[in-house]
Order: sequence, then structure tokens, then C-alpha cells
Amino acid sequence: GEQVEQLPSSLIVQEGASVLINCSYTDSASVYFPWYKQEPGKRLQFIIDIRSNMERKQTQRLTLLFDKKTKHLSLHITATQPGDSAIYFCSASTTSNTNKVVFGTGTRLQVLP
Amino acid sequence: AQTIHQWPVAEIKAVGSPLSLGCTIKGKSSPNLYWYWQATGGTLQQLFYSITVGQVESVVQLNLSASRPKDDQFILSTEKLLLSHSGFYLCAWSLNSGNTLYFGEGSRLIVV
Repeated sequence: GEQVEQLPSSLIVQEGASVLINCSYTDSASVYFPWYKQEPGKRLQFIIDIRSNMERKQTQRLTLLFDKKTKHLSLHITATQPGDSAIYFCSASTTSNTNKVVFGTGTRLQVLP
Repeated sequence: AQTIHQWPVAEIKAVGSPLSLGCTIKGKSSPNLYWYWQATGGTLQQLFYSITVGQVESVVQLNLSASRPKDDQFILSTEKLLLSHSGFYLCAWSLNSGNTLYFGEGSRLIVV
């Protein structure tokens, strides 16, 4: 079945820095890749997504890059703020009826003021 | 607007005791529903999903069961808890497969 690996497992940066989170998957049938953010004490929240027919998606301070050949994604966060401190998860799913959504291992980001 | 609510927020239960966790979705008819388990600080493991009332598919067996008695309700249960059941249980919904998941607040379970 699908396996999703995510690196690094943790990051500590100063406010204003940029960070890069990498994600790789194994199942070539995966076509949809949403990312989620889990802040302490809050519910998991969708932040950005990309489909396999795209290479890049950008929203405000987030840029998501997708390489179908290498089965690799990377999330770039610019101008980080303490409020960005959270665990970030990538995920992969198909559009088949299996409804299986596989999550990465998570990246714990801490932004120091 | 759609809302998703989980109950209870937290529970401390004894090994061997029964468990029932619930999830209700309002404002969306016939959603796909999901149960996930998260170890402390860990990744999310999908347990079950349901695309319609009365139909539940198991993704991984952890001595748990799930049911969807109503279109807007998803229940996770077991008759005998194990220590390994401790963790954070998350319910989520989506429009259909291959779409964004919307999560509830989660239920924290401690088995002692």
C-alpha cells in the first residue's frame, strides 16, 4: 500500500526565516496531496493542496511543489511567524473507491520570536 | 456551514472496559466519514471509512469496530480496551474520495 515519508521530523527557526518540508510517496495511483497543520490544542486544519496534474501551487506564504516523476513534494513557508508553530502533515490519496488517505509522519515546526 | 463534533473530549478507561466514541456532522448530507488514530505526537493512522449509512470499511484492524447508524453519525467502539488503544482519535469528513478532509476536535483516550 501507499507509504508517505516526511522530512525533517522537526525544525526550529527564528521568526522571519523560510522553511522547507519534504514529502515522498510510493503509490503512482495517488493523485491528490493535501497538507494539514495541527496546532497545539486545535483541530487538524487544511492549509494547501495540489493535484497530480499540477507542478506548483502558491497561497500567501505557502508554496507547494510537486514532481510526479520522482513522487516528491515540498512545502515552502516564507517569512515564518510564531503562529506558524505546529505539526505539519502531508498526505496522499487516490480518487478510487478505496477512500484511503495516507498521512506522512509529520514535521514539528517551532518558530522562535 | 458544515460542523463536525466529536464526543467525549477525553476519557480515562480501564483495560478490558468498553469504549464508544462518537462523531456528528451537520450541514452536509451523505459525506464520506473517516476515523483516524494518532499516537502522541505521531502520524495519523486511518482506521475506518464510510461512504454511506450502514456501510463501513476497515483499513487496519486494531480490535476496534465502527458503525454509521445515521447519515450524520459515525461511532467507534470496542468491547474490551487494550493499553495500546491509548491515543487521540480523530473523526473527519470529505465530499468524496480524493478530496480535502475536515477534522473534528478529537477525543483523547487514556487506557490504564
